[in-house]
Amino acid sequence: SQTIHQWPATLVQPVGSPLSLECTVEGTSNPNLYWYRQAAGRGLQLLFYSVGIGQISSEVPQNLSASRPQDRQFILSSKKLLLSDSGFYLCAWRSRTGPNEQFFGPGTRLTVL
Amino acid sequence: AQSVTQLDSQVPVFEEAPVELRCNYSSSVSVYLFWYVQYPNQGLQLLLKYLSGSTLVKGINGFEAEFNKSQTSFHLRKPSVHISDTAEYFCAVSLRQSGNTPLVFGKGTRLSVIA
Repeated sequence: SQTIHQWPATLVQPVGSPLSLECTVEGTSNPNLYWYRQAAGRGLQLLFYSVGIGQISSEVPQNLSASRPQDRQFILSSKKLLLSDSGFYLCAWRSRTGPNEQFFGPGTRLTVL
Repeated sequence: AQSVTQLDSQVPVFEEAPVELRCNYSSSVSVYLFWYVQYPNQGLQLLLKYLSGSTLVKGINGFEAEFNKSQTSFHLRKPSVHISDTAEYFCAVSLRQSGNTPLVFGKGTRLSVIA
């Protein structure tokens, strides 16, 4: 069966520090991968998605970037965090075939102080 | 482009009462529809999905939803809620010929079950 992992689970970082969040998927190959953010009291905001290694689509211009160095690995990064980067970050995957059902990881709670 | 509207941001309901969470979508072509649930500090979990066939879809935890094409709605229902149903619920849509485009989510409805 397929599983999706995210780490760390929680993170507290000072303003201006770098960020690296990792997401990995097991049990499938060639998945589409997604990064979402939930700010307090808000819905899901799609940040990036990837349809293959090295292929990244950005949905919202901002302080973050994403990379996909391996087929089942998706990384969210920042060189300098802002207070507004605080939130709950969710990674998701879907199969290339089928009805576009997405499966979500457990999330990373990021607090920027 | 498709869009999803969840008409209620918050829904309080007493334990063992019925509940309906409303979802309307906008799309010029055929779609797939989904409901997800998110418990505090967790990821989203698929509750149910409509792909084709019967318009009444049954999901996990006693939830069901009905696809109404003429009203472009996909409302979620449960006849008797439990305290454990307290969570955020998201409706989502994708095009049938979606290629690689992501799901489009509504803004969510926070269900609070009161003892």
